[in-house]
Amino acid sequence: DAGITQSPRHKVTETGTPVTLRCHQTENHRYMYWYRQDPGHGLRLIHYSYGVKDTDKGEVSDGYSVSRSKTEDFLLTLESATSSQTSVYFCAISGTSGRSGAEQYFGPGTRLTVT
Amino acid sequence: SQQGEEDPQALSIQEGENATMNCSYKTSINNLQWYRQNSGRGLVHLILIRSNEREKHSGRLRVTLDTSKKSSSLLITASRAADTASYFCATANFGNEKLTFGTGTRLTIIP
Repeated sequence: DAGITQSPRHKVTETGTPVTLRCHQTENHRYMYWYRQDPGHGLRLIHYSYGVKDTDKGEVSDGYSVSRSKTEDFLLTLESATSSQTSVYFCAISGTSGRSGAEQYFGPGTRLTVT
Repeated sequence: SQQGEEDPQALSIQEGENATMNCSYKTSINNLQWYRQNSGRGLVHLILIRSNEREKHSGRLRVTLDTSKKSSSLLITASRAADTASYFCATANFGNEKLTFGTGTRLTIIP
């Protein structure tokens, strides 16, 4: 899995509670991404980071925030979880700078259930 | 919205046969990539083809790209049971590190 770990791997939480998912890489890659995967939608980008403290929104960013204080860690926070955020969340990294759209390497995923 | 759309959504073939899946996209791209996802796992990068390339090979994989039709195909030859997985295309636009994924083709290889 290209030196990417995600924690937790599974989580069940209640509506309205805050949740933080962690992505950790040991590859020193510059770019990090958070996706969610839902049946019928494929993977959709939530947020991404192009460096420490540099982040930007993706296609489905509402209700999510991110932080990257170190190269190796990218956190995804659901400030107040809703049932519509029940999904499988994947972190990915890519490292090639100066070249658009480099291949990405994915973590094992976090299955989040909001009850 | 999805940039890439795979066709078919599901495909079942006998082991040893060839599997072909297609991807169509909407806007100009820098490159197109194919990924595989085994059940319950993360995606694995298979192959990348640039907009100025028409065909690329990697082992039993053959990818074609037709930018005039905004379409790509992935051919897996001599399929094996281990090829059972979902396959996704993803497109990259110029000057952009983001990828846009399609909804995938679920491939089942029947032993």
